[in-house]
Amino acid sequence: DAKTTQPPSMDCAEGRAANLPCNHSTISGNEYVYWYRQIHSQGPQYIIHGLKNNETNEMASLIITEDRKSSTLILPHATLRDTAVYYCIVRTEYGNKLVFGAGTILRVKS
Amino acid sequence: DTAVSQTPKYLVTQMGNDKSIKCEQNLGHDTMYWYKQDSKKFLKIMFSYNNKELIINETVPNRFSPKSPDKAHLNLHINSLELGDSAVYFCASSQIDTFFGQGTRLTVV
Repeated sequence: DAKTTQPPSMDCAEGRAANLPCNHSTISGNEYVYWYRQIHSQGPQYIIHGLKNNETNEMASLIITEDRKSSTLILPHATLRDTAVYYCIVRTEYGNKLVFGAGTILRVKS
Repeated sequence: DTAVSQTPKYLVTQMGNDKSIKCEQNLGHDTMYWYKQDSKKFLKIMFSYNNKELIINETVPNRFSPKSPDKAHLNLHINSLELGDSAVYFCASSQIDTFFGQGTRLTVV
């Protein structure tokens, strides 16, 4: 599975959009970009995933660049409850494990 | 309805003891996992089972033995507990997306 690079931390004002970047320059054609988050002391929570098209669900939007070497997770209106560690993971759709990096600590502030 | 549930949530035990953590999923998934999150907060896979068969064993000491009585359950038995086993252990299951339990915080004293 390809490796990902994320900034160690980011701050965001409550009510604003949070844009979390991820680089995955070695991604291969059959690998998807997955995003998970871990709120303090809880299990990781699935957010969204995509292959090459932009994706949106009730939690977030995922924007993948045309060359697929990077992506951005967008939380459109961040709340204090969105404070968490966000993990960008690359793997095949039916891959049998998730390889977690250090992730990005997102702090949403009032 | 909790999709992936594990028990107990907290476990404090002495060195040398043997303990078990139970995990059940009601999602009908074929694949289940155990992950370990240590004090540095890195999440690493330990085991993966598919339809009760071991698929991944990530160089985990043989004091750790997973047992899958059926595809909805994957229990983790740990023998001769050591101080370094203290961590949060997460069970998970997947078909395409992976769902995690709430974790078991194991403290070995």
